Amino acid sequence: SAVISQKPSRDICQRGTSLTIQCQVDSQVTMMFWYRQQPGQSLTLIATANQGSEATYESGFVIDKFPISRPNLTFSTLTVSNMSPEDSSIYLCSVDVGTGSYEQYFGPGTRLTVT
Amino acid sequence: QQPVQSPQAVILREGEDAVINCSSSKALYSVHWYRQKHGEAPVFLMILLKGGEQKGHEKISASFNEKKQQSSLYLTASQLSYSGTYFCGTDYSGGGADGLTFGKGTHLIIQP
Repeated sequence: SAVISQKPSRDICQRGTSLTIQCQVDSQVTMMFWYRQQPGQSLTLIATANQGSEATYESGFVIDKFPISRPNLTFSTLTVSNMSPEDSSIYLCSVDVGTGSYEQYFGPGTRLTVT
Repeated sequence: QQPVQSPQAVILREGEDAVINCSSSKALYSVHWYRQKHGEAPVFLMILLKGGEQKGHEKISASFNEKKQQSSLYLTASQLSYSGTYFCGTDYSGGGADGLTFGKGTHLIIQP
């Protein structure tokens, strides 16, 4: 497995502002993923972040709204831009530990409330 | 394409068994099972790979039926700690390069 941390753990933001969420892993991983979980709902994949290449976004998610950086093999950021109350969710990063087992582990999540 | 989980919710007495199903209309490469407790992140339970064997540890096991494109999670002699929401996540391409598509979840309540 891997130890994954996220910052901040929670935040309350004003509409129209942006928030950058950090995801740090204790070991080098190739694939990192960002998910959104709206209150009481399932998890939805936002994008896949592979070090050294542009992030790949899922249908319904665009780079202008959710820019992602992946500067190295242990770190990634997701920015939620020009926020609206509909962006209030839990944002989670996950990693494929890359041992060939295809197991994916989640960070603790960032709970975002937009007012 | 989102997999379909059933049932949506289950209420059990401690010690009873439960089965949670996850079905896909599209060919699966792997199925990942997670348990999430309220206010916490999903916790990885196990992964079933296409062509792989049934897996299990302690009283939780799972199977993958390739013909039906369905996976089942078996919880035997349930404990209070098993309460939570169970999600299956599906991977259609393999290789570890893709994120997962999750079902809507099954809420499991274990009563003493």
